[in-house]
Amino acid sequence: KQEVTQIPAALSVPEGENLVLNCSFTDSAIYNLQWFRQDPGKGLTSLLLIQSSQREQTSGRLNASLDKSSGRSTLYIAASQPGDSATYLCAVQNSGNTPLVFGKGTRLSVIA
Amino acid sequence: EAGVVQSPRYKIIEKKQPVAFWCNPISGHNTLYWYRQNLGQGPELLIRYENEEAVDDSQLPKDRFSAERLKGVDSTLKIQPAELGDSAVYLCASSPGGLNTEAFFGQGTRLTVV
Repeated sequence: KQEVTQIPAALSVPEGENLVLNCSFTDSAIYNLQWFRQDPGKGLTSLLLIQSSQREQTSGRLNASLDKSSGRSTLYIAASQPGDSATYLCAVQNSGNTPLVFGKGTRLSVIA
Repeated sequence: EAGVVQSPRYKIIEKKQPVAFWCNPISGHNTLYWYRQNLGQGPELLIRYENEEAVDDSQLPKDRFSAERLKGVDSTLKIQPAELGDSAVYLCASSPGGLNTEAFFGQGTRLTVV
């Protein structure tokens, strides 16, 4: 059974700092991995999707990497801003016919 | 293009009462999911549809939960009767289907059972 772990559970950084959020998964035979952002009381916003054949994806100040063999992904946020404050969730899909399995998320606070 | 639309956004009911949630997925998306998210946790799948067929409902508590996706578009999720432990956020998501499984989520329905 796939299990996803996100470390740290919470993170507080000053504005402008570069930061890394970590995600690990127990079954490396994944189909894809997706990073989401969730603001308080809101739904999930898709940030980046990495297919199993890819090593990384970039969108603006966000960069996500994938190392399938070690069962890890990182989300790198450059030059953090207070508007980046949210919970970031990592989810993996083992095949095209299986649902996403989520971690518990990392709650990020960027202090102005 | 409109995203996934859910209603209502919030619902407060007394235990043992019924409740229903509605979801309209992104146009053209064949796959629809219902997830439940408890406080401080990641979402967990309740049911997955491919068009109008429920292809994964193994985690749906069938004694009190039911779902339908008539005509393979909109979907409703019902709880009857609700219990205190059902308090959570209920999220609907959709994806195009086939090889494209990127999931897009709605705003969710926050259910409080008192």
